[in-house]
Amino acid sequence: GQQVMQIPQYQHVQEGEDFTTYCNSSTTLSNIQWYKQRPGGHPVFLIQLVKSGEVKKQKRLTFQFGEAKKNSSLHITATQTTDVGTYFCAGVMMVGGGKLIFGQGTELSVKP
Amino acid sequence: DAEITQSPRHKITETGRQVTLACHQTWNHNNMFWYRQDLGHGLRLIHYSYGVHDTNKGEVSDGYSVSRSNTEDLPLTLESAASSQTSVYFCASGTTYEQYFGPGTRLTVT
Repeated sequence: GQQVMQIPQYQHVQEGEDFTTYCNSSTTLSNIQWYKQRPGGHPVFLIQLVKSGEVKKQKRLTFQFGEAKKNSSLHITATQTTDVGTYFCAGVMMVGGGKLIFGQGTELSVKP
Repeated sequence: DAEITQSPRHKITETGRQVTLACHQTWNHNNMFWYRQDLGHGLRLIHYSYGVHDTNKGEVSDGYSVSRSNTEDLPLTLESAASSQTSVYFCASGTTYEQYFGPGTRLTVT
């Protein structure tokens, strides 16, 4: 079936280090969305990417969508303790009725 | 402010019982979704609805049902609860480009 794979599953960094999580889809995506879930919380929408090769920035966060619209990445520059949580990518397939397929998530821990 | 709420927030039930989890949104979204979250599996789609009287099965729909009688509510029913349905359940509403999640219901089936 349609799948969205996300790596790594866990990432432990020292505060100030950079962090990247990668997302790959088995099929072409209509768009890809990123969500953040704090420990004990619910997923919160961060951003959506629609265009091939698109790059968007939110302060220290940089989001990229691949040229083939099958992969994406989230890069955080100079992590802070407030970045702790699980980051999920979620793809909307070109064929599939518009529902989201979530990656397994990357859990980020930041050591002060 | 618009919001999405879930109730109850915590529920313990016994195997074989019928359980209904409520979801209510005031965003006036046509699209509503139910997910379950388990360690190692991320968020998996159970059922979804694109409007009143519309319901569709997701990837893990066995043992669950939903009904949509108005725009605001999408209750999720577990027909006969099983231990494998112990999980955290999230309701969401939104568009093709963005979803808003409720706070979640932690369900334990003993």
